[in-house]
Amino acid sequence: GQNIDQPTEMTATEGAIVQINCTYQTSGFNGLFWYQQHAGEAPTFLSYNVLDGLEEKGRFSSFLSRSKGYSYLLLKELQMKDSASYLCAVRGQGGKLIFGQGTELSVKP
Amino acid sequence: KAGVTQTPRYLIKTRGQQVTLSCSPISGHRSVSWYQQTPGQGLQFLFEYFSETQRNKGNFPGRFSGRQFSNSRSEMNVSTLELGDSALYLCASSLGGVSSYEQYFGPGTRLTVT
Repeated sequence: GQNIDQPTEMTATEGAIVQINCTYQTSGFNGLFWYQQHAGEAPTFLSYNVLDGLEEKGRFSSFLSRSKGYSYLLLKELQMKDSASYLCAVRGQGGKLIFGQGTELSVKP
Repeated sequence: KAGVTQTPRYLIKTRGQQVTLSCSPISGHRSVSWYQQTPGQGLQFLFEYFSETQRNKGNFPGRFSGRQFSNSRSEMNVSTLELGDSALYLCASSLGGVSSYEQYFGPGTRLTVT
């Protein structure tokens, strides 16, 4: 079967660092994506990993370990506007994109 | 460059009816994917069209169908609506090539079935 797991909710403090984990079991692997979705809005692309290692993009970084079926999204210097749902998605066999349920992040002052 | 547009933004239908949703991709994008988003199931892949051909399909019943036109615009149709079809329907476009990976989502169509 195909399964993507991520925590349902997380809370962090403004200015802090938070790590959102994602584990996956899929038929085939052609890349892992992270999306941000604010309430009532469409998801927006954050990052893409297809090889093992860390990809850094400003305050956001994403890590992938294919052998462990594991990824994380690291958000630094948290801001109130980072309060959103963070979706982990894997492109599996045939190119289908499979999403996790999303992690609802609340940033507190 | 204009983003992905979806029409209508909101729709209320009755059980048993059918509905057609429209998606216009970003200019130059040839791939359009459709997703259903519900609080209980999250984002689920419906299908992907590339150059007017269905390239991928999710695990939805045959009541859900789609097509893509020569200008890359896509439509999604749901027949014999059920209460459980109430959801946010999102489409996303991308260039569609082998190395293309970034998808841009539209604002979605909120469908309510009563």
